[in-house]
Amino acid sequence: GQQVMQIPQYQHVQEGEDFTTYCNSSTTLSNIQWYKQRPGGHPVFLIQLVKSGEVKKQKRLTFQFGEAKKNSSLHITATQTTDVGTYFCAGLPSQAGTALIFGKGTTLSVSS
Amino acid sequence: DAGVIQSPRHEVTEMGQEVTLRCKPISGHNSLFWYRQTMMRGLELLIYFNNNVPIDDSGMPEDRFSAKMPNASFSTLKIQPSEPRDSAVYFCASSPPGAGYNEQFFGPGTRLTVL
Repeated sequence: GQQVMQIPQYQHVQEGEDFTTYCNSSTTLSNIQWYKQRPGGHPVFLIQLVKSGEVKKQKRLTFQFGEAKKNSSLHITATQTTDVGTYFCAGLPSQAGTALIFGKGTTLSVSS
Repeated sequence: DAGVIQSPRHEVTEMGQEVTLRCKPISGHNSLFWYRQTMMRGLELLIYFNNNVPIDDSGMPEDRFSAKMPNASFSTLKIQPSEPRDSAVYFCASSPPGAGYNEQFFGPGTRLTVL
């Protein structure tokens, strides 16, 4: 079936270091969304990318959607302890009537 | 404004018992999703509704699971009989109508423990 793979599963960084998580789909996507889940919390929407090659920034976070619309990445510059949590990508396959497919997430821990 | 409301927040039950989880989506949203989250399997979509109609229930694990949405403001997920492997956090999410695919707003979740 259709899958969205996300790597790495876990990442530990020192505060101030950069962090990147990658997302790959087995099929072409209409769009991709990113969510953040704090420990003990629920997923919260961060952003949606729609266009091939699209790049969007939110302060220290940079999101990219691949040219083939099958992969995406989230890069955090100069991590802070507030960035701790699990980051999920969720892709919407091009096939009509299909729901979002979530990756398994990358859990980020940051030590100060 | 109230977000997605789920009840109960925590549920501890014994194997074989019936469990009913409840969800109230955000007013005006017309899509509702039920997810299950575990360490091993991550976030799994169980079923989703559009305008109160089930669109895709292929993620429902087995016949012990059933979901209903009798109206636009209420949905239930029932497990009967429950088993220890059903222990997980169950999230409900809703999204508004509109062109393209909209963000999903998640509720706080119900942490279910089946002993």
